[in-house]
Amino acid sequence: SQKIEQNSEALNIQEGKTATLTCNYTNYSPAYLQWYRQDPGRGPVFLLLIRENEKEKRKERLKVTFDTTLKQSLFHITASQPADSATYLCALPGSSASKIIFGSGTRLSIRP
Amino acid sequence: DTAVSQTPKYLVTQMGNDKSIKCEQNLGHDTMYWYKQDSKKFLKIMFSYNNKELIINETVPNRFSPKSPDKAHLNLHINSLELGDSAVYFCASSFALRGVTGNTIYFGEGSWLTVV
Repeated sequence: SQKIEQNSEALNIQEGKTATLTCNYTNYSPAYLQWYRQDPGRGPVFLLLIRENEKEKRKERLKVTFDTTLKQSLFHITASQPADSATYLCALPGSSASKIIFGSGTRLSIRP
Repeated sequence: DTAVSQTPKYLVTQMGNDKSIKCEQNLGHDTMYWYKQDSKKFLKIMFSYNNKELIINETVPNRFSPKSPDKAHLNLHINSLELGDSAVYFCASSFALRGVTGNTIYFGEGSWLTVV
């Protein structure tokens, strides 16, 4: 069955450093992958989408890579700030392509 | 101008009661969803409707019954509430997910259900 793993439940880093979050998936080949941010007490908010034919996507301080051979996406936040502290979720289309399946999330904490 | 709004935000109720959560979106989307986020923060899809038609019904107890009166509304009714139903329920919407389209999902703020 399809499986999505975000292999760090929590990540703590120093302000100014680059945060790198990992999303691994097995048993399918998604056409795209998405990243969402969820703040405590709020719903997830879309950040970036990367397609299977794209190696890398950038948006301001965010960078996402997508390696379909490794079945892995990396999500980077450069020059991290305390305001970047949140839970980050990766999401992929399900096998039926009519639903999005979410990973369990990585809780990122940026300390000043 | 809230995009996806759901009510109530907080709901505390006793076991055995019946309750409803309402959801509305003003984004013009044709697809709406209910997701459940448990205490471990795992976000799991429950139902999906496209143009008022049920297209996804994951393994959810039949005490949960969604209703979509039109494509801008998707309500969730829960009968005979159990302690294990305590969770955050998120309504969401998007344009239809078809193949490689990869449409963004917009979430509401969540409804915190506590069953005592």
